[in-house]
Amino acid sequence: DAGVIQSPRHEVTEMGQEVTLRCKPISGHDYLFWYRQTMMRGLELLIYFNNNVPIDDSGMPEDRFSAKMPNASFSTLKIQPSEPRDSAVYFCASSLWGGDNEQFFGPGTRLTVL
Amino acid sequence: QQQVKQSPQSLIVQKGGIPIINCAYENTAFDYFPWYQQFPGKGPALLIAIRPDVSEKKEGRFTISFNKSAKQFSLHIMDSQPGDSATYFCAASRGKLIFGQGTELSVKP
Repeated sequence: DAGVIQSPRHEVTEMGQEVTLRCKPISGHDYLFWYRQTMMRGLELLIYFNNNVPIDDSGMPEDRFSAKMPNASFSTLKIQPSEPRDSAVYFCASSLWGGDNEQFFGPGTRLTVL
Repeated sequence: QQQVKQSPQSLIVQKGGIPIINCAYENTAFDYFPWYQQFPGKGPALLIAIRPDVSEKKEGRFTISFNKSAKQFSLHIMDSQPGDSATYFCAASRGKLIFGQGTELSVKP
């Protein structure tokens, strides 16, 4: 398997623009997680899905952030409008059996909002 | 209650040394304690994990020691190598992972 695939790997945008990050989980994994990593806040969970259904979105920082999982092989994280403080590395991870088991992380998307 | 506190923030050891990274948690409902390793430009990868019914787990050169009463756990790396230089994150979970702040380990040749 190719592992978790994320695109784009790097994104540079201007404040106010819409940003869409994409993730393809490992085939057969029922859980999908979106994380954000910054120097100040470390690695924080934004939202996770089980069988394409959002289970916990308590980590989503603001209404500007939204995530969808239209099918088992694709998820998006959208920021609209983007702000400079959204600059971070965003990781997608997938797991067979949920948060209490091994999560496989993608390579991340480095987002810079100018 | 949801925090996981990790120390030290950074650590430098000589090759062959035994770096130790410590973590503490508050929420007694946590039931899964993994350690993740992250190299620059990569996503974190699971290194080793423990559940609270055991006090120690060893996999190769990596050992987790777990003290349930103290709500603390630690990672020991035996015979450390320059290739172990990375950032290490502890985490605690009950359905979702709460990560510590990370420890940047440098193993000098």
